[in-house]
Amino acid sequence: GQQVQQSPASLVLQEGENAELQCNFSTSLNSMQWFYQRPGGSLVSLFYNPSGTKHSGRLTSTTVIKERRSSLHISSSQTTDSGTYLCALEQDTEGADRLTFGKGTQLIIQP
Amino acid sequence: DTTVKQNPRYKLARVGKPVNLICSQTMNHDTMYWYQKKPNQAPKLLLFYYDKILNREADTFEKFQSSRPNNSFCSLYIGSAGLEYSAMYLCASSREGALKRQYFGPGTRLTVL
Repeated sequence: GQQVQQSPASLVLQEGENAELQCNFSTSLNSMQWFYQRPGGSLVSLFYNPSGTKHSGRLTSTTVIKERRSSLHISSSQTTDSGTYLCALEQDTEGADRLTFGKGTQLIIQP
Repeated sequence: DTTVKQNPRYKLARVGKPVNLICSQTMNHDTMYWYQKKPNQAPKLLLFYYDKILNREADTFEKFQSSRPNNSFCSLYIGSAGLEYSAMYLCASSREGALKRQYFGPGTRLTVL
């Protein structure tokens, strides 16, 4: 089965609203990484979060290992936050670090 | 410079023809990765180089080759492209250590006709 499940698949919000993106995983991990991709752009790493809560401006990432979940919270969303958000589970398997991605959340912030 | 560069950005190939995609980084990262991403699917790891050692994923072992002539460059080679190879190919790199963030390039969109 799929090791990393993201929800929702898509989310449409009005500017100023908060966004909550979820990632659930079914296996052990070294860390959870969150990425952002603007249409046509590169994957940009937002957070490298093995556990606990990390903040970066309006973004907050929380990883709770025993509950096998990680979340990305965007407060006071702006139209420029629109894009695809991907979570990826980092595992140490067969002596190497691998990222297993979720399918992503398409976020649309309307003015 | 924390950028990973990929060439070309777009590639059109004929069925049965070879394809060679290039990735470069100047961050002196030990590991370079190649992922395949198709629409509505998660990026899928194809292979990675740790220093000079190539690791290919079991389910794509025979479909892709790679070379890393030096620390900065890594290529992805398809010997005979099929329609199913049409996808975005993402290159990434990381440094060994406590903070192993992977830095991604913009991708190469390959269309096989």
